[in-house]
Amino acid sequence: AQTVTQSQPEMSVQEAETVTLSCTYDTSENNYYLFWYKQPPSRQMILVIRQEAYKQQNATENRFSVNFQKAAKSFSLKISDSQLGDTAMYFCAFSFNTPLVFGKGTRLSVIA
Amino acid sequence: DTGVSQNPRHKITKRGQNVTFRCDPISEHNRLYWYRQTLGQGPEFLTYFQNEAQLEKSRLLSDRFSAERPKGSFSTLEIQRTEQGDSAMYLCASSPDGDRETQYFGPGTRLLVL
Repeated sequence: AQTVTQSQPEMSVQEAETVTLSCTYDTSENNYYLFWYKQPPSRQMILVIRQEAYKQQNATENRFSVNFQKAAKSFSLKISDSQLGDTAMYFCAFSFNTPLVFGKGTRLSVIA
Repeated sequence: DTGVSQNPRHKITKRGQNVTFRCDPISEHNRLYWYRQTLGQGPEFLTYFQNEAQLEKSRLLSDRFSAERPKGSFSTLEIQRTEQGDSAMYLCASSPDGDRETQYFGPGTRLLVL
C-alpha cells in the first residue's frame, strides 16, 4: 500500500519570504502522480500543483514549484514570495490508478 | 463550470439517526469520489464511481454506509444509524475522463453526531 508522509505538522514564514514544505512517499509503482492541495481555514480543498512521475522536469505554477526526486521518493513544495492568503493546510497526495492517498498535512502560517 | 457542489454544508444529528448527503460533480466529469476527513488529518478515501458504476470501496466504508450515483450525475452518501465516530467532514471530488488522476474537490459536508 502506498503511504505519504509529511514530517512538518506546522510551519510559519514571513510575508514575501520563501518556504519549503516536505513530503515523502512510499510506492513500488513507476508511473504515478503527485499533488499538492491547499485547504484554507473553513474553505475547500484547492489543487495547487501536480507532477507526473514519468516527467523529469519539476512542475511550476506561478509562485509554487516542486522539487521532485523520484529515486528518493521525495516531493517538496516551494512557495516563493509568500502572501497572507497562502495561510492554509497543505496536503501532499499520491495517486496510482485513481483514489488519492493523502499525507496528514502541514499547517502553514504566513506572518505579516 | 460551477465546480463541485455539496449539500448540506453542515448537518447536526443525534446518534442513531440516518443522514444523506448529496454531491453534484463538475459537469461531464465521469468519475466521482467520496472522502472522509477528521480533524487534523488528511482526507481518507471511501468510494468512487465511474459514471453510475461503483468501482471501489474502502474498508472504511462499513455496511452502515451506502453510496449511489443512479444516473451517472449526482451522487448520494447515506449513513444509517449514525455513531459519534462518524462525525467528520465528508468531501466529494470529481475528475474528467481525459485527466482522471486530477481530482477537484467540493466544499464538503460537516457532520456532527451528538
